[in-house]
This record gives sequence, structure tokens and C-alpha cells, in this order.
Amino acid sequence: EVQVVESGGGLVNPGGSLRLSCAASGFTFSSYDMSWVRQAPGRGLEWVSSIRSRSSYIYYADSLKGRFTISRDNAKNSLYLQMDSLRTEDTAVYYCARDGGGFDIWGLGTMVTVSS
Amino acid sequence: QSALTQPRSVSGSPGQSVTISCTGTSRDVGAYNYVSWYQQRPGKAPKVMIYDVSKRPSGVPDRFSGSKSGNTASLTISGLQAEDEADYYCCSNAGSYTWVFGGGTKLTVL
Repeated sequence: EVQVVESGGGLVNPGGSLRLSCAASGFTFSSYDMSWVRQAPGRGLEWVSSIRSRSSYIYYADSLKGRFTISRDNAKNSLYLQMDSLRTEDTAVYYCARDGGGFDIWGLGTMVTVSS
Repeated sequence: QSALTQPRSVSGSPGQSVTISCTGTSRDVGAYNYVSWYQQRPGKAPKVMIYDVSKRPSGVPDRFSGSKSGNTASLTISGLQAEDEADYYCCSNAGSYTWVFGGGTKLTVL
């Protein structure tokens, strides 16, 4: 079965850090561009970051101002999002998504709560 | 990277057709044929319904169709069914490999 599964979310204090992981299975992970998309409670979808299949190009939403770092390990079929200097407004469900014709495969998401 | 503009809500009766608009700019929707549409039911992950403006993934009913004119893309759902009630989001490439989503539209089937 083609799927991605996110993990690593949780409760963190403002200014803290968190590393999200996304484990892919059922497809050739190294052949696909991958992205992170988030959704704050009761709000819409927001694109966060994308990485091309060979990690040659990486892109971020302007609003992140260098606080997040996306990476991937094709040998481990895994995508990561390192989140530093977290703010309350980063509270959201974070989804991992495959780009296979639109964002065609999504995980269930992992919840990140930034609160003191 | 400003969000694309969608109506907050639309509604229709079973069997009718509804169209959801998605307005961007010449730097995103108007510049690229990489517009996609997502359906999201409460508590669930989004599901792609249309990609590359008008392509439909396998398994998506042909009642769903997409189009684009200038800076505005549209999703049309014909033969509306109760199961179509959900939130719908458009998404467009905004240069290089950056993306921008619309604010979302709540579809109510009356």
C-alpha cells in the first residue's frame, strides 16, 4: 500500500524545537518530490516547504523566515522537518505529502502545539 | 506568497452543479498550469480531486472537472451528491517549486 506516516509532533514551549519525520512506503521514495503542508486548528491549508527528489532544490514559505529546515534520506525512505524558534502561530497539524500529480498522497498528519 | 482567493462557502441541491472559483495573480494561477484542487472532510487528510488544472486522478468521479481562465481557476461539481459535502482547497504553483493554497470553500449540499 502506498502511504506516508508522520510522527514527531507534540507539545513544545515557545522558542523550542521539534523534528518531524515522515516514513514512506509502497513506492519508490527517491523518485518523488515531497512537501510539508500544515493546517492550524479551524484554518485552511498552508504550504510549508518542498524538497526535490534528489534534494537538489529546497523551497520554503516566506513566512517561515529561516526557522524550518526540510531534508530527506532516500536510503531510509524518510522526509524530515526540523522546526526551530517555534512560535504559538506554528501550532497546527503538519502533513507530509507526495507530489505525484498534485499532492496525491497525504499522511494523517502529526499535531504540533506550541504553548507555555 | 499571498493566499489564493476562494468563496468562503457555496451550496447546491442534489443533482445540481456548483462551481468554486480560485483567484490568484499573474505570478501564480495565471503563470502556470499547475493548479490542483483538494477535498477535505472533517478530521481527514486532504484528497486530490484535480491536478494540472483539469486532470482527474484515477478513482475520482468524472463529475469533478477543472478549468482555468487568466488568473482564475475553477472547480465544477456536476450531479451534486450528499457525499460531496466537504471543504475544498485550490493550490497553485507560485514560481520555482513554491506553492500557494486558497483559503478554502465549504460546500454544503442542501
